[in-house]
Amino acid sequence: AQSVTQLDSHVSVSEGTPVLLRCNYSSSYSPSLFWYVQHPNKGLQLLLKYTSAATLVKGINGFEAEFKKSETSFHLTKPSAHMSDAAEYFCVVSDPIPSNFGNEKLTFGTGTRLTIIP
Amino acid sequence: DGGITQSPKYLFRKEGQNVTLSCEQNLNHDAMYWYRQDPGQGLRLIYYSQIVNDFQKGDIAEGYSVSREKKESFPLTVTSAQKNPTAFYLCASSIRARGLKETQYFGPGTRLLVL
Repeated sequence: AQSVTQLDSHVSVSEGTPVLLRCNYSSSYSPSLFWYVQHPNKGLQLLLKYTSAATLVKGINGFEAEFKKSETSFHLTKPSAHMSDAAEYFCVVSDPIPSNFGNEKLTFGTGTRLTIIP
Repeated sequence: DGGITQSPKYLFRKEGQNVTLSCEQNLNHDAMYWYRQDPGQGLRLIYYSQIVNDFQKGDIAEGYSVSREKKESFPLTVTSAQKNPTAFYLCASSIRARGLKETQYFGPGTRLLVL
């Protein structure tokens, strides 16, 4: 069975300082991993995804994440926070649904709320 | 302008009433999904559909029903059997491709409130 743990429910950083949002996962298969961002009362937007190619994945808005199999981690980083980065961030793991070849089930973390201090 | 639309943005339900949430996509995706989001929790899968006229229960299907009569539409009905329906409901879609790692794209959501 797959699972995702987002280690911090809330992170606060000052504008212009680095952002680190932590995510650990467990999976029985070769997983795909995603980070999504959600602004208040909005749907989820894909930031980046890992699908067994390069372990360092670059996404939109200056975010990137590194897949570390030995640590079962997929932490999200950004060198310099911007006020517009304030949102909820979800780490997601995708495993194949055993009875449905080619389709995949997403398991979501509980989210990390990022606050940017002016 | 391609994407996923959900309507209404806010929906109010009276006790004992069934309500239907709309989800439409013009991305030509085969697979569609319904999720429920509660405060402080991740998304939980209600139902999904890989192809027209076929759908499967997710992790929390009780009290919900769906239909998939058209490729672009996947409406969700919240029935009176769902005792705690207040939540934010998100619809998603993805290309159904064998052996590939699918990305799901999300609509803007519908917030359901009980009167």
